[in-house]
Amino acid sequence: AQKVTQAQTEISVVEKEDVTLDCVYETRDTTYYLFWYKQPPSGELVFLIRRNSFDEQNEISGRYSWNFQKSTSSFNFTITASQVVDSAVYFCALKPSGTYKYIFGTGTRLKVLA
Amino acid sequence: SAVISQKPSRDICQRGTSLTIQCQVDSQVTMMFWYRQQPGQSLTLIATANQGSEATYESGFVIDKFPISRPNLTFSTLTVSNMSPEDSSIYLCRTPGQGFPYEQYFGPGTRLTVT
Repeated sequence: AQKVTQAQTEISVVEKEDVTLDCVYETRDTTYYLFWYKQPPSGELVFLIRRNSFDEQNEISGRYSWNFQKSTSSFNFTITASQVVDSAVYFCALKPSGTYKYIFGTGTRLKVLA
Repeated sequence: SAVISQKPSRDICQRGTSLTIQCQVDSQVTMMFWYRQQPGQSLTLIATANQGSEATYESGFVIDKFPISRPNLTFSTLTVSNMSPEDSSIYLCRTPGQGFPYEQYFGPGTRLTVT
């Protein structure tokens, strides 16, 4: 079965704290892609990152960083020094090989308090 | 990257009526996808729309309820028919990006409330 699990339904942090959003996936494919999206209150989905299954390098983009570990089937997302504008729902998604279909996790609602 | 627009951005509709949502892409794309996101839920794929052929619907979604048109490579519509309050959702269209085939580009969404 192909599945994405975001066990954290909601997280609240105080501004400037670091926060990690967990994503665990299941797939039998050897080739696949993983994504993170941000959905602010306005509703649009903002693409954050794509990672393919052959690239386990961690990535940093400003205050955002991603930790991809195939051994634990995890693709976690860390926001450093969180800001109120980071408040949103964050979705992790899996794209198996050979298909354009994407499997989304249930999302994690992040609230950053001033 | 593709630029996708949707109309309307939001609407409030009465039970029993229908609403057609438009999705316009600024470049030609083979496939377009329609998603539904019910309040507080994740995204669920409704159907895949290819130009020149009938849409392919996912389990639980039927053409009579969600008819889709795909008249050309830059445009698609999704109609939500005979609406009930359970249809209150955000509806999003998506297209694979140009250049790298595994990028995802979503439209800004249509927020539908059925009363």
